[in-house]
Amino acid sequence: QKEVEQDPGPLSVPEGAIVSLNCTYSNSAFQYFMWYRQYSRKGPELLMYTYSSGNKEDGRFTAQVDKSSKYISLFIRDSQPSDSATYLCAMSAFDTPLVFGKGTRLSVIA
Amino acid sequence: DGGITQSPKYLFRKEGQNVTLSCEQNLNHDAMYWYRQDPGQGLRLIYYSQIVNDFQKGDIAEGYSVSREKKESFPLTVTSAQKNPTAFYLCASNHNGLLYGYTFGSGTRLTVV
Repeated sequence: QKEVEQDPGPLSVPEGAIVSLNCTYSNSAFQYFMWYRQYSRKGPELLMYTYSSGNKEDGRFTAQVDKSSKYISLFIRDSQPSDSATYLCAMSAFDTPLVFGKGTRLSVIA
Repeated sequence: DGGITQSPKYLFRKEGQNVTLSCEQNLNHDAMYWYRQDPGQGLRLIYYSQIVNDFQKGDIAEGYSVSREKKESFPLTVTSAQKNPTAFYLCASNHNGLLYGYTFGSGTRLTVV
């Protein structure tokens, strides 16, 4: 079993839809959870950062962490064509390198 | 502006050649990382360094080498021992402790010809 599992998609939604992206993990020592957005042939950029459990909201984006279920989510409200990208979950234990999911490719259709 | 610069953007390597990918940061970050990205594989860790003159192997270090002689620089050499080097290579940095996540460079696409 890989440490981090993420459905690679692709996921296609109409503009304005609510998007839900998810990852599961197996390492109970993970306590830092992040979501990165990557446009084609570019480096990933940090979208959301959460320490331990709970929710975090930033504009149209909400990140949720459920450590009891080893499950994290990213919700995108009112999705836009500019949100079309690959979304990577990433996580780590204290002072260890980030472990990434495979990424989910999202297309938002106008 | 502070950031990470990777060069070159595209690199072509002949069979049996060593090539070196450059990564420079002016963020005063302590730690630097090299990841490899293949289609459908996500990012896999090659090497990382948390302080100058020290580095650790990641999950797929075979066929690669690094050095960390200066805080701002972390070059990656892809040796001829790496059997399948064609990939997108990403360099990242952060302050030790992971308080703010990683900052990534724009990547180098390496192709074997």
